[in-house]
Formats: sequence, C-alpha cells, structure tokens
Amino acid sequence: GAVVSQHPSRVICKSGTSVKIECRSLDFQATTMFWYRQFPKQSLMLMATSNEGSKATYEQGVEKDKFLINHASLTLSTLTVTSAHPEDSSFYICSARWGKETQYFGPGTRLLVL
Amino acid sequence: EDKVVQSPLSLVVHEGDTVTLNCSYEVTNFRSLLWYKQEKKAPTFLFMLTSSGIEKKSGRLSSILDKKELFSILNITATQTGDSAVYLCAVGTGTASKLTFGTGTRLQVTL
Repeated sequence: GAVVSQHPSRVICKSGTSVKIECRSLDFQATTMFWYRQFPKQSLMLMATSNEGSKATYEQGVEKDKFLINHASLTLSTLTVTSAHPEDSSFYICSARWGKETQYFGPGTRLLVL
Repeated sequence: EDKVVQSPLSLVVHEGDTVTLNCSYEVTNFRSLLWYKQEKKAPTFLFMLTSSGIEKKSGRLSSILDKKELFSILNITATQTGDSAVYLCAVGTGTASKLTFGTGTRLQVTL
C-alpha cells in the first residue's frame, strides 16, 4: 500500500503557542489530503479536506482560523494549530487519497497542550 | 447527516474462533465502503468495496457489501492474538470521497 508519513509523532506545548504538523505522501502524489481528529476511545472525525493549490474545505464546527491548512505541493500538507489550548489536545491524523477512493493514513500526531 | 453504525461495539473471543463484524450506513451519494484496522496508531487499510455481492479476501479476512440493504460485514477466520485491534468501517461519499467513520468494533482475541 501507499505510504504516508506524519511529523512530529508527538508534541507537548504550552497553552497559547502554535504547533505545525506535516503530512507527506512518500511514494505517490496526492491532490487531496484529509485531516482528522480522534479523541480517546472515539472514532475519527474529519476536520477538513486539503486540496493542492487551493483553499481547504472545513467541516462544520471546525474553525478555519484556528486550524490552518496549507497544501503547497502534491506530496505535502500542513496543519497548524494556532494558539493551542488544552482542549485541543488530541490525536491528529492525516490521510492522502490514492486513486479515486482509497485513503491511506499517516501514523498520527499526539498533541498535548499544557 | 451521514451515519455509519458498527456492531458489536466490542467483542472478546478465543484464538481460533471466527468473528463477523457488522457495518450499516445511511448516507447520501455513496461511493465506497472501506474497512480499516487500528491498533495503537493510525488506521491501516484492509479493503475497499464498491459493488454489491463481490467478496474481497485477504488471507483470513474477507468482506462483502450489500448496497440494497446498506451494510457490510468483515469476517475473520481462525483468529489470532495479533488480530486484536479496533476495526473501523468508513463510507466514502461525494466527489471528494470524504470518509464518515463508524465508532469501531474493539476486538480482543485471547489465548
């Protein structure tokens, strides 16, 4: 299967700081990437769809000014959590679409905001 | 609102047992149904189903989709402790193939 990497795998930061998470498709080009959030023992919730060369599409209830997404190339999308607060602590996972339907997931980033 | 429901929520079986996991859905603009296995980190892809009645098989795992009744099953035969994980069902919809996930079935295989 296709390989997607995410960096960093874990980050701890102070409240009020910004955190950038990178998502890369390593062996294929992805015009579309997705960002999800997963709270403990819950399923994945789609936050936004990231399209190369255009603005991201955010799901209802997700603040676009707080979760900045940039999809600058066909292999890289970044999610920046701005002015992070403890309630933003979660597991953030990206995926890249391969072909028309299948999404391959990165290993995830565990964010803890103190 | 698109909805994906998985059952059971959790399951404990003995090694060697066969299990069937269920996924039903109510969505608009269905494109595909995908099964993923999630252990400690992000989900790993198992199957993608788009057509009714065609079984997909990979080793001891198999899956089938019924688009008329709006459900899919994932079968695991001769379970092993390494099969212990959360199994996620997701339905892709719309032109962007956005995925809506079910809450997952937590499978524990004991010796």
